[in-house]
Amino acid sequence: NAGVTQTPKFQVLKTGQSMTLQCAQDMNHEYMSWYRQDPGMGLRLIHYSVGAGITDQGEVPNGYNVSRSTTEDFPLRLLSAAPSQTSVYFCASKTGGANSPLHFGNGTRLTVT
Amino acid sequence: GENVEQHPSTLSVQEGDSAVIKCTYSDSASNYFPWYKQELGKRPQLIIDIRSNVGEKKDQRIAVTLNKTAKHFSLHITETQPEDSAVYFCAASITGFQKLVFGTGTRLLVSP
Repeated sequence: NAGVTQTPKFQVLKTGQSMTLQCAQDMNHEYMSWYRQDPGMGLRLIHYSVGAGITDQGEVPNGYNVSRSTTEDFPLRLLSAAPSQTSVYFCASKTGGANSPLHFGNGTRLTVT
Repeated sequence: GENVEQHPSTLSVQEGDSAVIKCTYSDSASNYFPWYKQELGKRPQLIIDIRSNVGEKKDQRIAVTLNKTAKHFSLHITETQPEDSAVYFCAASITGFQKLVFGTGTRLLVSP
């Protein structure tokens, strides 16, 4: 099992550009989520999905869109990048069971200039 | 919504000493409390978790305690080693709600 795979590892965008961060998992996990990590602020939930076709907002959803067309994939879209979106982004997945542990991907470091 | 506060933000200890990291949560309905370790440049990884029907849980040199009345929980690391140096995050969630809320992290530095 590869676990949770994120691409790309690094990305530099100019303000206003759009891009999609990819996330795929091969563990047949129902639940997938996106977090951003900023210095001194911990990990903040952006969006999450409890299954294919279902998504919901987390703590900091503004400026980001998600979709979940398959169990395996959960892409995160930035429609118009802003410098405030410079961060490290982590995708995480888990089984649908209550209180099951999150498995994180290796992260994507995004810089918006 | 749930809010998790974590202290201290930085902790320096000598090898062999004990380290304690404390977290408080706001929502009394929270009942799952995991701890994650993140080494420099790596992804967070679960090291231990506790559920609200348990007051303490141990795994070798690591233990977590939970005080539901006071709404706080703590991570205890005994006989610290240099490889324990990392950022540690606490988190809390409510069963049935798929939102895991993290604390702001504690950078632990263990000096030889």
